[in-house]
Amino acid sequence: DAGVIQSPRHEVTEMGQEVTLRCKPISGHNSLFWYRQTMMRGLELLIYFNNNVPIDDSGMPEDRFSAKMPNASFSTLKIQPSEPRDSAVYFCASSLQGSGNTIYFGEGSWLTVV
Amino acid sequence: DAKTTQPPSMDCAEGRAANLPCNHSTISGNEYVYWYRQIHSQGPQYIIHGLKNNETNEMASLIITEDRKSSTLILPHATLRDTAVYYCIACLTQGAQKLVFGQGTRLTINP
Repeated sequence: DAGVIQSPRHEVTEMGQEVTLRCKPISGHNSLFWYRQTMMRGLELLIYFNNNVPIDDSGMPEDRFSAKMPNASFSTLKIQPSEPRDSAVYFCASSLQGSGNTIYFGEGSWLTVV
Repeated sequence: DAKTTQPPSMDCAEGRAANLPCNHSTISGNEYVYWYRQIHSQGPQYIIHGLKNNETNEMASLIITEDRKSSTLILPHATLRDTAVYYCIACLTQGAQKLVFGQGTRLTINP
């Protein structure tokens, strides 16, 4: 199994630009999660989907952030416009509901907004 | 989800058993205890989980007290590659499923 695949692995962008992070969950998994990690705040859950439907987006910081899951094998997290305080590592994770809640994480997308 | 409390850091000698404690005094009867770890620059990795009974797998053992208010993750023969931040999380296995990470314990394995 290829695991959770995220792209890009690293991105440096200028303030005000749009950023799109992509995620391919493990095949067969029906839950997908987006987390953000910073030194100050640790690992924060931004949003999660179940069967492609957003279930809880209470962790999304503000309207500049949006997430979509058009099908079971693809999700995006978009930031528009980006700001320096959005600099963080963004992790995508997936799981199979009913399998014991084991969540598998990708390697993360390292975002720097200058 | 119940709140968990872990020491911020611990050290262990290579080859010895690493025992990582976690307090979860407000855990409810249907909440499981999960352990994940995060090696530097990588995504968190699942280690083990349990409800009441002690559990063991190829990575570690999980000892849960009878009153379920605390638990200990045991790495029986720690290696340098076990240096990581270890997270103890209490959550349900059905319904919301989401994991809420605390600050964890930074475990350093010393040669």
